[in-house]
Amino acid sequence: DAGVIQSPRHEVTEMGQEVTLRCKPISGHNSLFWYRQTMMRGLELLIYFNNNVPIDDSGMPEDRFSAKMPNASFSTLKIQPSEPRDSAVYFCASNLGDSSYEQYFGPGTRLTVT
Amino acid sequence: LAKTTQPISMDSYEGQEVNITCSHNNIATNDYITWYQQFPSQGPRFIIQGYKTKVTNEVASLFIPADRKSSTLSLPRVSLSDTAVYYCLVKGSARQLTFGSGTQLTVLP
Repeated sequence: DAGVIQSPRHEVTEMGQEVTLRCKPISGHNSLFWYRQTMMRGLELLIYFNNNVPIDDSGMPEDRFSAKMPNASFSTLKIQPSEPRDSAVYFCASNLGDSSYEQYFGPGTRLTVT
Repeated sequence: LAKTTQPISMDSYEGQEVNITCSHNNIATNDYITWYQQFPSQGPRFIIQGYKTKVTNEVASLFIPADRKSSTLSLPRVSLSDTAVYYCLVKGSARQLTFGSGTQLTVLP
């Protein structure tokens, strides 16, 4: 398997623009997680899905952020409108969805909002 | 959120055993404590997880006391390639997954 795939790997955008990050989990994995990593706040869980259903979105910063998982092989994280403070590395991870926390992380998307 | 505390950094020499402790109060009573390794410009990579006492795999051991208020990751004989940031991951009593702040381990020759 190719592992978790994220695109784009790098994104530079201007404040106010819409940004969409994409993730393809490992085939057969039932849970998908979106994280944000910054120097100031470390690794933060934004939202996670189980069987395509959002289970916990308490980490989503505000209404500007939204996430969808239309099917088992694809998820998006959208920021609209983007702000400079959204600059971070966004990771997607997946796992089998059992009680384990053994997650497989993608390479991340480095987002820069100017 | 569960509150976690890890040392910011640690130095070690090749071949030594390294122990990294994460303090975590207010965690869920029935969930795993998990540790990850992260290299620069990469996503975190799973190392080990456990529920209680001691767990060992081919790369590390994890020690968890009975009160589960801390956990210690033990790397038996570190090499230069073990230089990375190490994170604990716990689930708080309110069910939120929380990563620790990370410990930068530097292995010196």
